[in-house]
Amino acid sequence: SQTIHQWPATLVQPVGSPLSLECTVEGTSNPNLYWYRQAAGRGLQLLFYSVGIGQISSEVPQNLSASRPQDRQFILSSKKLLLSDSGFYLCAWSPGRRNSPLHFGNGTRLTVT
Amino acid sequence: AQTVTQSQPEMSVQEAETVTLSCTYDTSESDYYLFWYKQPPSRQMILVIRQEAYKQQNATENRFSVNFQKAAKSFSLKISDSQLGDAAMYFCAYRSVPSGTYKYIFGTGTRLKVLA
Repeated sequence: SQTIHQWPATLVQPVGSPLSLECTVEGTSNPNLYWYRQAAGRGLQLLFYSVGIGQISSEVPQNLSASRPQDRQFILSSKKLLLSDSGFYLCAWSPGRRNSPLHFGNGTRLTVT
Repeated sequence: AQTVTQSQPEMSVQEAETVTLSCTYDTSESDYYLFWYKQPPSRQMILVIRQEAYKQQNATENRFSVNFQKAAKSFSLKISDSQLGDAAMYFCAYRSVPSGTYKYIFGTGTRLKVLA
């Protein structure tokens, strides 16, 4: 069966520090991968998605970036964190079939101080 | 661009009663999928139910059912015989199909409280 791993679960970082959140999927190949951010009152905001290695689509211009160095690995990064980057980050994957739902990781709570 | 609106930030229901959560969406497409997700306090996102736009029959999953009104662009979730474990945030989501972008657009969520 397929599983998705996301880490770390919690992270406290000072303003201006770098960020790296990692997500991996097991048990499938060529998944579609997604990064969402959940802030209070704003639901789930799509940040990035990828339909293949090296293919990244950005939905929200900001100081975050994403990379997909391997088929089942998706990384969310920042060179310099802002206070506004605090939130709950969710990685998700889908097989890419038309009727597929999203399958989510357990999330990372990021606090920028 | 597609949008999803959940106009009820919070709802309450008495245990064993029925509650309906509202969701509307805006799209010019005719082929798409709709989903309801549940997020309990653990914050794990759990798929509740899905609906295919070209199917007129409303989807059901045990105590959960939807009222899909394609012309009105409405997709409400009905929870019957509410249980304490149903207390959670509920998110409505839209997935575009024809565009091939595979984006899933979420609403802002409805927090459901279940009263004992």
